[in-house]
Amino acid sequence: ETGVTQTPRHLVMGMTNKKSLKCEQHLGHNAMYWYKQSAKKPLELMFVYSLEERVENNSVPSRFSPECPNSSHLFLHLHTLQPEDSALYLCASSQVRTGDNEQFFGPGTRLTVL
Amino acid sequence: RKEVEQDPGPFNVPEGATVAFNCTYSNSASQSFFWYRQDCRKEPKLLMSVYSSGNEDGRFTAQLNRASQYISLLIRDSKLSDSATYLCVVNRQWNDYKLSFGAGTTVTVRA
Repeated sequence: ETGVTQTPRHLVMGMTNKKSLKCEQHLGHNAMYWYKQSAKKPLELMFVYSLEERVENNSVPSRFSPECPNSSHLFLHLHTLQPEDSALYLCASSQVRTGDNEQFFGPGTRLTVL
Repeated sequence: RKEVEQDPGPFNVPEGATVAFNCTYSNSASQSFFWYRQDCRKEPKLLMSVYSSGNEDGRFTAQLNRASQYISLLIRDSKLSDSATYLCVVNRQWNDYKLSFGAGTTVTVRA
């Protein structure tokens, strides 16, 4: 499927590196999301960009920095990460409208921090 | 208390069996409910929405019990391809686009 794409699919980085994750949606949606999925834990919503609003989970550390240049692209900039940040990072998009919020997910970036 | 709680399983069932599991949610004001399916090392995908009156999609039946704040999923005539983790998902109000996910229930169907 090519509705929501993410690159890279796998990333290994050291704690001093800076990297960025990219997400692109081809569905014409007006909301995009970053989630973190750690083993055996629920998906954790990190950031949402919806229409003109950015919403963030206050528990997300500042070493994660999102960027949404337009409604189709979303980035997650990473710097000075910790080993506990190793997880699957999922991007999703949806069309925000009353009564329907099916979110379509990208394949994810599996991140390992050494 | 977690917003959405699920029995992690695993539920190991033979082909052709029926398997059912529940999920509980903490916010009584929640309005929209979903089941997502996630295959191993893949992204979640919507399986079905859950409506107040209960709904069926082929071999899958979802029920909502607002009084007890739980949602159920029943799979009839299990297939090997039903092996996956099933995520219970809730949003807090009708037009709230922020979803709360359970940690998932793992189902393994064996031949």
